[in-house]
Amino acid sequence: EIVLTQSPATLSLSPGERATLSCRASQSISSYLAWYQQKPGQAPRLLIYDGSNRATGIPARFSGSGSGTDFTLTISSLESEDFAVYYCQQRSNWPWTFGQGTKVEIK
Amino acid sequence: QVQLQESGPGLVKPSETLSLTCTVSGGAMRSYYWSWIRQPPGKGLEWIGYIYYNGNTNYSPSLQSRVTISVDTSKNQFSLKLSSVTAADTAVYYCARLPPSTVGIIDFWGQGTLVTVSS
Repeated sequence: EIVLTQSPATLSLSPGERATLSCRASQSISSYLAWYQQKPGQAPRLLIYDGSNRATGIPARFSGSGSGTDFTLTISSLESEDFAVYYCQQRSNWPWTFGQGTKVEIK
Repeated sequence: QVQLQESGPGLVKPSETLSLTCTVSGGAMRSYYWSWIRQPPGKGLEWIGYIYYNGNTNYSPSLQSRVTISVDTSKNQFSLKLSSVTAADTAVYYCARLPPSTVGIIDFWGQGTLVTVSS
């Protein structure tokens, strides 16, 4: 099973700042990595798939990069609605797996 | 707009079988994969398994001995059964849709339903 390790566990930032979230895979997953956003009491929402493709309706301030084992989600300028938990997820090998999450909180 | 809605008991006794149904509206089940994911309170997400609209399934190895996922396209529903539950199976259970072009990516989620395992 592929293990995804996200860092940091918590990111404390102010609105308008840039957020950089990391996800590292225990083995190469090519570009088969997605990012989801989850707010309290809600289901996750797809942001990015296959490393760098924004999902339908996702604002351009969200971008993804990376391949192999190291991936990054960047939020260029945090809006109030972006404070949430972010999960990475691989679809390279079954069972597909999620990272443990990074919480982006208001500083 | 596709919508998914989970239904089933919110409380299950230890050693019994958890049964949930997901009803799909606003779109066809054909050509898509359908999945169950769960999230223990305050924790991360775990894939349970998925089913193709034709009935082909794939289960998580850690749950395979206890899981059955089935589909009924005539009712636009798919279901989850998890046997011999323990407190460790307490979680929010989500049903979800996986597009065929990017299998393994979830484009639509249900709202989730909390299932508590307790006597």
